[in-house]
Amino acid sequence: AQSVAQPEDQVNVAEGNPLTVKCTYSVSGNPYLFWYVQYPNRGLQFLLKYITGDNLVKGSYGFEAEFNKSQTSFHLKKPSALVSDSALYFCAVRDINFNKFYFGSGTKLNVKP
Amino acid sequence: GAGVSQSPSNKVTEKGKDVELRCDPISGHTALYWYRQSLGQGLEFLIYFQGNSAPDKSGLPSDRFSAERTGGSVSTLTIQRTQQEDSAVYLCASSLASLAAFFGQGTRLTVV
Repeated sequence: AQSVAQPEDQVNVAEGNPLTVKCTYSVSGNPYLFWYVQYPNRGLQFLLKYITGDNLVKGSYGFEAEFNKSQTSFHLKKPSALVSDSALYFCAVRDINFNKFYFGSGTKLNVKP
Repeated sequence: GAGVSQSPSNKVTEKGKDVELRCDPISGHTALYWYRQSLGQGLEFLIYFQGNSAPDKSGLPSDRFSAERTGGSVSTLTIQRTQQEDSAVYLCASSLASLAAFFGQGTRLTVV
C-alpha cells in the first residue's frame, strides 16, 4: 500500500539557519515524490519533484530535497530559512501507474526572526 | 486557462441543502482530483478521474457525495443534504502523466 509519513507536526527554526522537513514513503515500484507548500487560506503550491536521476532535486524558492532509496526518505531542505518560508508543507508520493497522489499529514514550519 | 480554477471560492449553505462545486482543470490535463481539507488538517482524498477510465471513488465519505467530469474537462462535485461535518475546504487538482498535480485555490464550504 502506498503511504507517506511526515513525523513532525511542527518544525521551528531561526531565520538564516538551515531547515529540514522530513518525509518517508512506502510505495510499490519506483516512486514519484513531490513537495508542496500551503500558505494560509491558499491552495497547495508545487515546490519540487523527484521522478528519476540525481538524488538531489532543486525546486522553487531555494528549496531542495534529497531522495534516499535505502531509507525511503525524501526530506525537504533549505540552506538558509526565511521568515516568509513559514507555512504548511506537504510531502506526496505517486505510484508508477500514475494513480492518485498520497499526501502526508503536513508539517507546519515556523521560521522566527 | 493558466491554472486550475475553482468556483465558488466560498459557499455558505444551510444544513440539508445540496451544493455543487466546480473545477476547471488546466487545459490538456488528463487527470483530475478532488481532495478535502478540514481546518488546519491534511488532505483527504475524495475522487480521481483519469482520462476515459472509470473514476476512483474510493475516498468519497458517503453516498451523499458524487462527482462527474464532463468531456474530460470540467468537473462538478455534488454534496447532497449537507451536514455540518461537511464544512471544509474542497481542493481540486489536475495533472498530466507523471508530472506534478497543480491545485486550485479551493472552495471553502461552510454548512450552518
